Parts: sequence; structure tokens; C-alpha cells
Amino acid sequence: QVQLVQSGAEVKKPGASVKVSCKASGYTFTGYYMHWVRQAPGQRLEWMGWSNPNNGGTRYAQKFQGRVSMTSDTSITTSYMELSSLTSDDTAVYYCARPICSTLSCTFDYWGQGTLVTVSS
Amino acid sequence: DIQMTQSPSSLSASVGDRVTITCRASQGISNYLAWFQQKPGKAPKSLIYAASNLQSGVPSKFSGSGSGTDFTLTISSLQPEDFAIYYCQQYNSHPPTFGGGTRVDFK
Repeated sequence: QVQLVQSGAEVKKPGASVKVSCKASGYTFTGYYMHWVRQAPGQRLEWMGWSNPNNGGTRYAQKFQGRVSMTSDTSITTSYMELSSLTSDDTAVYYCARPICSTLSCTFDYWGQGTLVTVSS
Repeated sequence: DIQMTQSPSSLSASVGDRVTITCRASQGISNYLAWFQQKPGKAPKSLIYAASNLQSGVPSKFSGSGSGTDFTLTISSLQPEDFAIYYCQQYNSHPPTFGGGTRVDFK
């Protein structure tokens, strides 16, 4: 069965970076992009971007351009999301998700369990 | 970006009730609409994609309808395990965007 297992909770200071991992199993890892979605307290779900495990291609939401990096390691079927220059506004649960896509955009059929990132001084 | 508006934002219901949640898109999205269920401390679970298609393993008490800008999620007979937050999401255009959620709790 499809599983996405994420790394554990993180506490970071403002200005620091965080790297979250997402280990995929139960499907062909290179057959799907990996997307990342976050959910801040009291806020709606927010799409962050995707990485293509085949060639390293990426696309990021404009809001995160310049401080997010999404990568994949096909040898261990794991994707990563790194967010830098953290502020308290980045306190959120971060999810990886496998996509089902239309021509222009995607929804998600499987999700990781989520990784809570807390940014606090 | 396409704005997704859900109504109501919360509702109270009893076991056995029929529940309907509405989602409206700020512009036409064809049938590229998904519904998710989220329970406290858990990841969203995909229920429906393409407005009316049930994900594998999702019980038939859940149904979705609509096209264009107006969509509904219906739970035919609410059970204790259905008390949760429900989100809609459009994937007709980039970026994908989510509704603000509808909390379904006990009356």
C-alpha cells in the first residue's frame, strides 16, 4: 500500500532553516511528482510546490520563491523540503502529498502524516 | 488565484442526519474539485476527486456533485466517525487552492 512517512517534529529559531523528509513506499517513486502543502494554526491548507524525482525539476508557489528548496533522492525513495529564513509565520504542519493532476494543476490522493515545525525564539 | 469559499463554516448535526456542505469557486473550474476529510492531529484524507468520483475505499455514504463554480458534498447518514473538518480544493488552474473548511460536530 502507498505510504508517505515524514520526519519528526522540529523546533527552530527565527532565521534558521528546516529540512523535512518524506519517505515513499508502495508505488513507483519516479512515476509521480512530490508536492508539499502546509497548514498553519487556524489557517487553510496552502500549496507550497513540487519536485520531480526524475530530473530534479521544481515549481514553487510565488510566496516561497527564494527560500524553499524541494529535492528528491531516488536511491532511497525520499523527497525533501527545505525552508530557510524562518519566521513565526512559518509555524505550521508540513505535509508531503502524492498528486492526481489535471492539465494545469493537481489534487492529492495520499498524504504524509505531517511534520510540525515550530519557530520560536 | 482562484478563491474557494465553503459554507457553512461549521454545523452541528446528529448521528443519522443527512449533511450537505457547499463549496463555491471564484471562477469556473469545470469539474476539477476535490473533497477532503481531516480529523484532529491527522493528515487530510482524500474522499472525492473530479467533483463526484469516490476515492478507493471511501464509503458510498459520501457523494459529491457540481460543475463550474458550485459544488456540494453530501453525507447521507452521519456516523460518529464522520465528525471532522471537510475541505474542498480546486485543481483546474495553478496554483491549487483550498477552501476554509467546514467543521461538522455533535448537536
